[in-house]
Amino acid sequence: AQSVTQLDSHVSVSEGTPVLLRCNYSSSYSPSLFWYVQHPNKGLQLLLKYTSAATLVKGINGFEAEFKKSETSFHLTKPSAHMSDAAEYFCVVRNSGYSTLTFGKGTMLLVSP
Amino acid sequence: DAGITQSPRHKVTETGTPVTLRCHQTENHRYMYWYRQDPGHGLRLIHYSYGVKDTDKGEVSDGYSVSRSKTEDFLLTLESATSSQTSVYFCAISDGGQPQHFGDGTRLSIL
Repeated sequence: AQSVTQLDSHVSVSEGTPVLLRCNYSSSYSPSLFWYVQHPNKGLQLLLKYTSAATLVKGINGFEAEFKKSETSFHLTKPSAHMSDAAEYFCVVRNSGYSTLTFGKGTMLLVSP
Repeated sequence: DAGITQSPRHKVTETGTPVTLRCHQTENHRYMYWYRQDPGHGLRLIHYSYGVKDTDKGEVSDGYSVSRSKTEDFLLTLESATSSQTSVYFCAISDGGQPQHFGDGTRLSIL
């Protein structure tokens, strides 16, 4: 079975500093991985996806993630945080079969002025 | 957002009453999903559908049933609501191998 572990439940950064949200995965085959973002009282929005092409994946709003098979990691980064980045972020792995997903428990990103 | 509409957006009801949540899509996608979101648990899959009248259980299906009589509509029913089903419910759609797109959610409170 596939699973993901988000290593931090909360991450606090100052505006203009780098963001790192950590995610490790477990999969019996080459996985498809995603990062979604959820702003307060909103649905989930796809940030980026990895589907076995380039290991460095660029997403929306300046975010990117690097797939590292040797470390079973898919960490999300952004060079410079903006106040509007404050939200909850979910690392997600696609399961085999009918495209179901398994979600991590989420990381809340707090951005201070 | 992708054409997904969830209704109602908010509902308060009493223990033991039946509740039906509706997800409507205008994208003609084959797959539809119902999730619940609870603090500290991320999103957990309740049921999903891979076509009209084709549904299957997810991780947390006990106490829930679903129906899909048309491509565009996926209904989630709580036959007899319990307080443990207080949650935020999300519908999602996808077109096979593509990422899922989510609705804005339904906040359900069961007193």
